[in-house]
Amino acid sequence: DVKVTQSSRYLVKRTGEKVFLECVQDMDHENMFWYRQDPGLGLRLIYFSYDVKMKEKGDIPEGYSVSREKKERFSLILESASTNQTSMYLCASSFDRWPNSPLHFGNGTRLTVT
Amino acid sequence: DQQVKQNSPSLSVQEGRISILNCDYTNSMFDYFLWYKKYPAEGPTFLISISSIKDKNEDGRFTVFLNKSAKHLSLHIVPSQPGDSAVYFCAASLMAGGSYIPTFGRGTSLIVHP
Repeated sequence: DVKVTQSSRYLVKRTGEKVFLECVQDMDHENMFWYRQDPGLGLRLIYFSYDVKMKEKGDIPEGYSVSREKKERFSLILESASTNQTSMYLCASSFDRWPNSPLHFGNGTRLTVT
Repeated sequence: DQQVKQNSPSLSVQEGRISILNCDYTNSMFDYFLWYKKYPAEGPTFLISISSIKDKNEDGRFTVFLNKSAKHLSLHIVPSQPGDSAVYFCAASLMAGGSYIPTFGRGTSLIVHP
């Protein structure tokens, strides 16, 4: 069974801090994604990566960056956290580039920026 | 501007009856559609999908219907069970950066009453 593990379930950070959210998948998936989920707004794509060291902007990349140095690990970085980045962050991976390849999600990290 | 719309934020159904969750999309280039289910404090899990070349796909109690001319799809759950109570996300896939990237709707919260 595919496992996508996010390093923290809950995080509380202060405005201006640099924040790292880590995600690891154990099934050798090519694609990895970062989404944020907000009430009434659904899942919005921040960044995705289809290979090591490759990254593509999603719909809302402003204020975020990502790193993928190894195939199994995809990190989301908030360079200078702000209160409007308080949200549930979801990491996902998928096996290949076919359209019917479903995403496998981690259980999320709830980030609060004060 | 939303490309995938779930216009009903919530739906309440009696156990044993049919649940119908609706989804509309605007981009005719979408070529694959997926439904995900999300329980509180967990990541979304893949439920069922349909290719744009089909109009129906069935998996047990779950059936997805696609009407391309109307740019509309629906998920039918028959019979509904209390364990089906969750948030359901519709997603549509489009090629971007060499991979198929899903765009999610805002979700519909289904409550199945015993």
